[in-house]
Amino acid sequence: TQLLEQSPQFLSIQEGENLTVYCNSSSVFSSLQWYRQEPGEGPVLLVTVVTGGEVKKLKRLTFQFGDARKDSSLHITAAQPGDTGLYLCAGEEKERNLIFGKGTKLSVKP
Amino acid sequence: ETGVTQTPRHLVMGMTNKKSLKCEQHLGHNAMYWYKQSAKKPLELMFVYNFKEQTENNSVPSRFSPECPNSSHLFLHLHTLQPEDSALYLCASSQEPGAGNTEAFFGQGTRLTVV
Repeated sequence: TQLLEQSPQFLSIQEGENLTVYCNSSSVFSSLQWYRQEPGEGPVLLVTVVTGGEVKKLKRLTFQFGDARKDSSLHITAAQPGDTGLYLCAGEEKERNLIFGKGTKLSVKP
Repeated sequence: ETGVTQTPRHLVMGMTNKKSLKCEQHLGHNAMYWYKQSAKKPLELMFVYNFKEQTENNSVPSRFSPECPNSSHLFLHLHTLQPEDSALYLCASSQEPGAGNTEAFFGQGTRLTVV
C-alpha cells in the first residue's frame, strides 16, 4: 500500500517563528504537490515540484523535493496567523492517481 | 464563474433519505474525482472519471453512486447512508491522471451529516 507520511501532525507556534513540515514515502514520485486547506474549504494547490533536488519559493514558503524524489519539505519563515491551516502533500506516481498524506495542522498565534 | 463548484455546501440527511451532491468544473479538465475527508484520516479517493469513463472505484459501498454525464459535471448519489458516512465530500478535477505533473483543483466541499 502506498503511504505518504507527514510530520508533525500538529504544530502550534507564535507569530514570527520559523517552521518546517516534512513529507516522506518509500515510493518514488514523478511529481509532488503541496496544498493548504482552511476549515470548511477545499485544499488549494500551493506548488508542484518535479525534479529531484528542486527548490521552489513562494514568498515566505520554501519547498524542497528530495534528490531521490521520495520526500519533500515545506519551510515557512516568520509565520503569520494567515498561514494557519492544514498543509497536505500529495505524490503522483507514473500512470497512477495522486495519493495524499494525512496533513499537518498548523496554528499560528498572534 | 471559474474553478470547481460544489453544491450544496452543507447537507443533513436521514438514513432513509436519497440525496445527490453536484460538482461542476469550468477548467477544461478531462478528469474528475470524488474524495471523502474524515477527521484524523487522509483524503480518501472514492471515484475517478477520465473522459467521462469511470476508471477507479476504491471499494466504495454501493450506497454511494457516482454519475458523470460529461467532462464538466459530476454527481454523487446518496442512498441509505450510515452515520459513519458523515464527512466532508470533496470534488476535484485535473488533466489526465497519472500523466505527470497532475495538479488537482478542488471544490469547497459538501459537509454531509447523516442523522
